[in-house]
Amino acid sequence: DIQMTQSPSSLSASVGDRVTITCRASQSITSYLNWYQQKPGTAPKLLIYGASSLQSGVPSRFSGSGSGTDFTLTISGLQPEDFATYYCQQSFSIPRTFGQGTNVEVK
Amino acid sequence: QVQLVQSGAEVKKPGASMKVSCKASGYSFTGYYLHWVRQAPGQGLEWMGWINPNSGATNYAQKFQGRVTMTRDTSISTAYMELRSLKSDDTAVYYCARGLAVSGAAMFDWWGQGTLVTVSS
Repeated sequence: DIQMTQSPSSLSASVGDRVTITCRASQSITSYLNWYQQKPGTAPKLLIYGASSLQSGVPSRFSGSGSGTDFTLTISGLQPEDFATYYCQQSFSIPRTFGQGTNVEVK
Repeated sequence: QVQLVQSGAEVKKPGASMKVSCKASGYSFTGYYLHWVRQAPGQGLEWMGWINPNSGATNYAQKFQGRVTMTRDTSISTAYMELRSLKSDDTAVYYCARGLAVSGAAMFDWWGQGTLVTVSS
């Protein structure tokens, strides 16, 4: 199975900050990497697919980059509604696996 | 509008079975795989497997092989996930999620609201 490791596990930030979350795969997954946002008590929401493609309806302050084993999710100008947990997920192979999550909290 | 509506919360005893349903609407049910993902309290996301609603073919995570069965009823656009021999660490929110592929990239683009299953004696 491909292991996905996110860092940091949590971070504190303020509205307006630029936030970067990294995700590393245990082997190359080319660009088969997705990012999800999850708020407490709700289902995950797809933000980015294929490492860098923005899902329809997702604000442009979210962006993704990377290929191979190293990926980043960047939020440019954190908004109050962005405080949540973020997960990366590989779709290169079965079983699909997720990172452990990064909790973005209010500083 | 795509919707995946899941059945309600359940409380089960250890050793029992659970069966969660996921009713799809707003799209062609047989045109997209359905995946099941679970989340234990305060924990991350764990993929359990998928079902192809068109053919009924399934693919389960090895961890759940022999204990899980995913089925569907195309007449009512509903998928089911049954998990047997429940243990306390099966306590989790279970999600169904639609699988979509765009230019070869696969993703879960729509999710059900989740079903909390509590396993407790």
